[in-house]
Amino acid sequence: NAGVTQTPKFQVLKTGQSMTLQCAQDMNHNSMYWYRQDPGMGLRLIYYSASEGTTDKGEVPNGYNVSRLNKREFSLRLESAAPSQTSVYFCASSRTGGGYGYTFGSGTRLTVV
Amino acid sequence: GNSVTQMEGPVTLSEEAFLTINCTYTATGYPSLFWYVQYPGEGLQLLLKATKADDKGSNKGFEATYRKETTSFHLEKGSVQVSDSAVYFCALSDEDSSYKLIFGSGTRLLVRP
Repeated sequence: NAGVTQTPKFQVLKTGQSMTLQCAQDMNHNSMYWYRQDPGMGLRLIYYSASEGTTDKGEVPNGYNVSRLNKREFSLRLESAAPSQTSVYFCASSRTGGGYGYTFGSGTRLTVV
Repeated sequence: GNSVTQMEGPVTLSEEAFLTINCTYTATGYPSLFWYVQYPGEGLQLLLKATKADDKGSNKGFEATYRKETTSFHLEKGSVQVSDSAVYFCALSDEDSSYKLIFGSGTRLLVRP
């Protein structure tokens, strides 16, 4: 099925470890996004890529880096994980911006101990 | 800046009851408005949307009308089912947010048999 695929689905890290969350979409969308979801706080935008070759900070970018590898793939990297980064991470894509709505992946549940 | 405010949950209803989840927004432009639904353990799915004032979005028995005069986009359903139990997010997108989606904090709906 067409959509947004995220890997891994679950991950446990120790404080200070690094990891990369992978995201790929097969809908030929131009824009891609990374959100984190925490209880009672809704979704907060970490980084986004309006089009291939561009990336911009969102609301909560500290502690994260991103790479728009090509039109399909947008990865999120935690260089030195902290317990405050324990969250559920969602990748999303859209044709161009949010006016058409987003398609979301199923999420990555990350725990940092 | 742009923002979305949703009623706090959880909202607990009996099956076949009428549902209203309130959503109001603040935006300087002319936003598009969305409702997303998140079932347990899954990503967000677009439920319905409206792109201009007085538009009514509808899907799966859910409806919401874009009310510019009251800056609202309340979600309604005439008869809820147990399978509607989920978290519902209101969101907006407009040129002032570079067409990124801005989400409310979500409202959890619990429907009892």
